[in-house]
Amino acid sequence: AQSVTQLDSHVSVSEGTPVLLRCNYSSSYSPSLFWYVQHPNKGLQLLLKYTSAATLVKGINGFEAEFKKSETSFHLTKPSAHMSDAAEYFCVVRSANQAGTALIFGKGTTLSVSS
Amino acid sequence: NAGVTQTPKFQVLKTGQSMTLQCAQDMNHEYMSWYRQDPGMGLRLIHYSVGAGITDQGEVPNGYNVSRSTTEDFPLRLLSAAPSQTSVYFCASSYSMYRAGNTEAFFGQGTRLTVV
Repeated sequence: AQSVTQLDSHVSVSEGTPVLLRCNYSSSYSPSLFWYVQHPNKGLQLLLKYTSAATLVKGINGFEAEFKKSETSFHLTKPSAHMSDAAEYFCVVRSANQAGTALIFGKGTTLSVSS
Repeated sequence: NAGVTQTPKFQVLKTGQSMTLQCAQDMNHEYMSWYRQDPGMGLRLIHYSVGAGITDQGEVPNGYNVSRSTTEDFPLRLLSAAPSQTSVYFCASSYSMYRAGNTEAFFGQGTRLTVV
């Protein structure tokens, strides 16, 4: 069975400081992992994805994430937060060895950025 | 390139009414799914399909019905609307897991449904 745990429901940072959003996953098979972002009253946009290539994945808007199999983690980071980063972020897992397996979402982390 | 198109964007229903949320994709994706989003719950899977003629239940299927007669379309039917179905609904499509490296989902813009 697959599952995703986002360890913080809400993270607050100041503009210009680093961002860390934590995600742990559980999967019986080699997973694909994703981070999606949702701005208020908007749809979901893919930030980045891990699909068994490089373990450090770079995404859009300066975000990156590192896949750590030994820790079953896929934390999202950004060196310097911008006001426009304020949004909800979802960590998502999909198993690589099961046809048609659904994407399983974490409960989300709301990122607040103050000036 | 339209991607995933969901209609309507907003809907208000009375308890007991039925309706269909439409979802269409033009990317020839095998896999389509419906999610509902509620505060603090993330997105929960309602139903999914791995191809035309094949559907299966997700985490929260009760009160919903789906069919997949074509690759492009995957409508979601509310059989008898209840206030507990007030939510934001998202349709998503993707390639199957066999297409290595291209397994991310593309989402529609969402349908905000209120049942009174």
